[in-house]
Amino acid sequence: GESVGLHLPTLSVQEGDNSIINCAYSNSASDYFIWYKQESGKGPQFIIDIRSNMDKRQGQRVTVLLNKTVKHLSLQIAATQPGDSAVYFCAENPDYKLSFGAGTTVTVRA
Amino acid sequence: SQTIHQWPATLVQPVGSPLSLECTVEGTSNPNLYWYRQAAGRGLQLLFYSVGIGQISSEVPQNLSASRPQDRQFILSSKKLLLSDSGFYLCAREEGAKNIQYFGAGTRLSVL
Repeated sequence: GESVGLHLPTLSVQEGDNSIINCAYSNSASDYFIWYKQESGKGPQFIIDIRSNMDKRQGQRVTVLLNKTVKHLSLQIAATQPGDSAVYFCAENPDYKLSFGAGTTVTVRA
Repeated sequence: SQTIHQWPATLVQPVGSPLSLECTVEGTSNPNLYWYRQAAGRGLQLLFYSVGIGQISSEVPQNLSASRPQDRQFILSSKKLLLSDSGFYLCAREEGAKNIQYFGAGTRLSVL
């Protein structure tokens, strides 16, 4: 079964607003986490990663937060754009294999 | 950037027919390669991974097999397809010390 899950399967966001996508993981041994974006009919695309020795990492318009105490990971997207509509997956890496959650579908409203 | 080629993009096959999906990668030698399957509306299920030529590890017992005849070639096969083999098949390669996996465009397989 999947050891990484998501709080909500869908998220509807107004264009220009910030998006927050949440993810819970269960494996305490995981020390590396990745967020992927998958557009319809395409392969997942790497967005941002974070190691367990960090609690926050920022990229271009995206921020990943890691709370190891409660095994929670989140992806924040600033000023959400129509092109951000996609399925977002978190993945954890307790060893050399990634374990993916089921994904959150983000829909951006114009 | 490292490129991953998967083909075909879509495939419709009858139940009981054989399958061969090919993935080739460009870039650094001896990459770790992976095959995933994604059911509609679901996450990615790891099927096989390979750390080198001829080295295949299976994650899920099933109707599929994998081979790595060359350093940058990873093949997913089946002798007889089942309806349950339908899905979106993704090849990935791992790069760098960070274990980031990068994915190909995928093959949509429909078994009818």
